Amino acid sequence: EDKVVQSPLSLVVHEGDTVTLNCSYEVTNFRSLLWYKQEKKAPTFLFMLTSSGIEKKSGRLSSILDKKELFSILNITATQTGDSAVYLCAVPPQGGSEKLVFGKGTKLTVNP
Amino acid sequence: DAGVIQSPRHEVTEMGQEVTLRCKPISGHDYLFWYRQTMMRGLELLIYFNNNVPIDDSGMPEDRFSAKMPNASFSTLKIQPSEPRDSAVYFCASNLGGRGFSGANVLTFGAGSRLTVL
Repeated sequence: EDKVVQSPLSLVVHEGDTVTLNCSYEVTNFRSLLWYKQEKKAPTFLFMLTSSGIEKKSGRLSSILDKKELFSILNITATQTGDSAVYLCAVPPQGGSEKLVFGKGTKLTVNP
Repeated sequence: DAGVIQSPRHEVTEMGQEVTLRCKPISGHDYLFWYRQTMMRGLELLIYFNNNVPIDDSGMPEDRFSAKMPNASFSTLKIQPSEPRDSAVYFCASNLGGRGFSGANVLTFGAGSRLTVL
């Protein structure tokens, strides 16, 4: 069965700290891995990593994919209170279907 | 585009009542997904449609749950009869589907329907 495991489950930091969120996956026929940010409402898309693009960066957020070790990390530098959210990792399961299997998420709290 | 639109945003009902959740996907998206989110289990896929046809309903918990998509711009998720353990946030999401690999799995979510069954 396809599996996505995120760690830690929760994290509390101070503004300005750097954080690293982890996502490990077990899925055959890997296609892509996606990161989402969920504040109070709907998850919103951050990054997609594929075999041809193993590193992505957007401002203070960056993500890398290690296909050999089957994990991805999401880094946030110089954290701000607005980064407080649940960060979700997801992969399409084997068979290449359009659906996504999500991890349970990491709840990040950034205190001023 | 207004995005994925869900209604109602909040629903409080009593055990045994019928609940109907509604979703309007983004125009032009041919895949529609229903997910349920709880603290214990996270985001779970219930069912998804392609071109209005149900493709995978293996996540639907039991016969009390049913979903329909009568046309490309509307879907419903119905729970009858509802039970307290159905309390969760129900998300609808849509995407363009496999028109080339790039971005194929990027789901756009609605704001969710928070269901409380007393």
